[in-house]
Amino acid sequence: EDQVTQSPEALRLQEGESSSLNCSYTVSGLRGLFWYRQDPGKGPEFLFTLYSAGEEKEKERLKATLTKKESFLHITAPKPEDSATYLCAVPFSGTYKYIFGTGTRLKVLA
Amino acid sequence: SQTIHQWPATLVQPVGSPLSLECTVEGTSNPNLYWYRQAAGRGLQLLFYSVGIGQISSEVPQNLSASRPQDRQFILSSKKLLLSDSGFYLCAWSAQTSTSGEGDTQYFGPGTRLTVL
Repeated sequence: EDQVTQSPEALRLQEGESSSLNCSYTVSGLRGLFWYRQDPGKGPEFLFTLYSAGEEKEKERLKATLTKKESFLHITAPKPEDSATYLCAVPFSGTYKYIFGTGTRLKVLA
Repeated sequence: SQTIHQWPATLVQPVGSPLSLECTVEGTSNPNLYWYRQAAGRGLQLLFYSVGIGQISSEVPQNLSASRPQDRQFILSSKKLLLSDSGFYLCAWSAQTSTSGEGDTQYFGPGTRLTVL
């Protein structure tokens, strides 16, 4: 059964304290892993897509990596404006549907 | 560039009243369209998706329905709302390439906050 699990559920960091968020998945034939950022009361905003194990993408203080079983979203020297919920998603095998993790709520304290 | 609109932004409705939420996409043609519901502090629950006009796939049996009367218009409806229908409703679109190749990015609208009293 296709499944996506994110950890931790919530994370509090001091400004400048680097950390990583985890997205583990089980899907037959990965067709991509997608990361989103969601601010309260808004729709998710697309961040990255990773298609192959070993692939990495970077955007400002965020770096996403992918292995055959999981993806990490590394946050380097975070700022308070990085506070948000981060979601990951993968397409279901053989369909146009996507399965989302429940997200990691990140709070960065000044 | 592509843009996705949802309205209304917020809605407060009494139990038993009807519902109609609308989603439109600009700047693309023949998109896949999706309706999700997000409960407070929870992940996204897929409700419906559509690969073309009049083609609707339902994921969760409930008192909601969806329609796609035009290529870039997706409507979520209910004849009688329940308290449990409260939540944040999100519409999304993606390009329609293949179910076997690389997945396409989903892009989300701003959402509709529905409160049923």
